[in-house]
Amino acid sequence: ILNVEQSPQSLHVQEGDSTNFTCSFPSSNFYALHWYRWETAKSPEALFVMTLNGDEKKKGRISATLNTKEGYSYLYIKGSQPEDSATYLCAPGGNTPLVFGKGTRLSVIA
Amino acid sequence: GAVVSQHPSRVICKSGTSVKIECRSLDFQATTMFWYRQFPKQSLMLMATSNEGSKATYEQGVEKDKFLINHASLTLSTLTVTSAHPEDSSFYICSASPRGQQAGEQYFGPGTRLTVT
Repeated sequence: ILNVEQSPQSLHVQEGDSTNFTCSFPSSNFYALHWYRWETAKSPEALFVMTLNGDEKKKGRISATLNTKEGYSYLYIKGSQPEDSATYLCAPGGNTPLVFGKGTRLSVIA
Repeated sequence: GAVVSQHPSRVICKSGTSVKIECRSLDFQATTMFWYRQFPKQSLMLMATSNEGSKATYEQGVEKDKFLINHASLTLSTLTVTSAHPEDSSFYICSASPRGQQAGEQYFGPGTRLTVT
């Protein structure tokens, strides 16, 4: 079973602050790394699918980087807004079923 | 696009009864659907992978006779929890992977909260 670690477990930031969190995963047999945003009472929403070492993807104020050699990915949120409050999940996989971390729960305080 | 619905969103049932949960891809065909379970403060745990027209593949430790999965069409998969017990109370969520989707991207339903009394 893949060991996927996300840190921190939870995070409170002030509106306007930038923040980042980490996803660690086994670097062997890497295929893809998925990031999801999961707001309360909604479906998890796909943010990024990352496949290449050194890849950086961006969607609005959110970006992610990938290091497949050392097995980690960072998710960055610039200028956090209350609507960014959600649980952010990462999951390696794709050629095999996704294995999810426990997520980082972000609360943005207005 | 890529919307997945799940029904019901919440269900309360008595111990010993069976409960069926439906997962539908509304605007795409899903050759593969996945069923996950999440206990409080835990990660989404894959229960089974469901391929249209064939038997589901269950993860280790998941009883296939207790959690019946049917994927009869390219837009519908069902999970039936048979003879439910209080320990089956959990959050169940499905996802669907469209035909030809790269890198295994999945689209999730909103989940079903099952409470067994």
